[in-house]
Amino acid sequence: DAKTTQPPSMDCAEGRAANLPCNHSTISGNEYVYWYRQIHSQGPQYIIHGLKNNETNEMASLIITEDRKSSTLILPHATLRDTAVYYCIVRVDPGGGNKLTFGTGTQLKVEL
Amino acid sequence: EAGVTQFPSHSVIEKGQTVTLRCDPISGHDNLYWYRRVMGKEIKFLLHFVKESKQDESGMPNNRFLAERTGGTYSTLKVQPAELEDSGVYFCASRGLIGELFFGEGSRLTVL
Repeated sequence: DAKTTQPPSMDCAEGRAANLPCNHSTISGNEYVYWYRQIHSQGPQYIIHGLKNNETNEMASLIITEDRKSSTLILPHATLRDTAVYYCIVRVDPGGGNKLTFGTGTQLKVEL
Repeated sequence: EAGVTQFPSHSVIEKGQTVTLRCDPISGHDNLYWYRRVMGKEIKFLLHFVKESKQDESGMPNNRFLAERTGGTYSTLKVQPAELEDSGVYFCASRGLIGELFFGEGSRLTVL
């Protein structure tokens, strides 16, 4: 799986959009971009994933650049409960058996 | 719908003792994974079951760890004998229809 690079930490004001970047310059054509988060010491939580088109669900939006070398997770209206470590993970096939490779992620702190 | 449940939530044992962790995946999920996070480190993959078969156990650290999934429903992870470096949080996950993993809250293991 391709390696990803994320900033170690970010701050965001409550109510504002949180934009979390991820670089995956060595991504292959058949690799998907997944985002998970871990709130405090809870189990990781799936957020969203995509291949090349932008995706949106009830939690977030995922913007993938045209060359697929980077992506941005957008939390449109961040709340205090969104404070968590966010992991950008690239893997081959959502239907396959591949394990997830968690990196160090981005610690997002949402403040009043 | 019940999520992934893990038991116990916290276990404290002496070095050399045995501990068995249990995971109940979401009903109907054939794919089950074990991960762990040891202190200060990243979340690491341990192994992957498809029903009762071990699909990938490349992350198992050594032969003191034994995972089973008899009948393809719940899974157990036994550590015998436990060592100090086994302390950490053990997460179980099962896979949904679009490849997303649903994680349990984890079992915290403390080896004294």
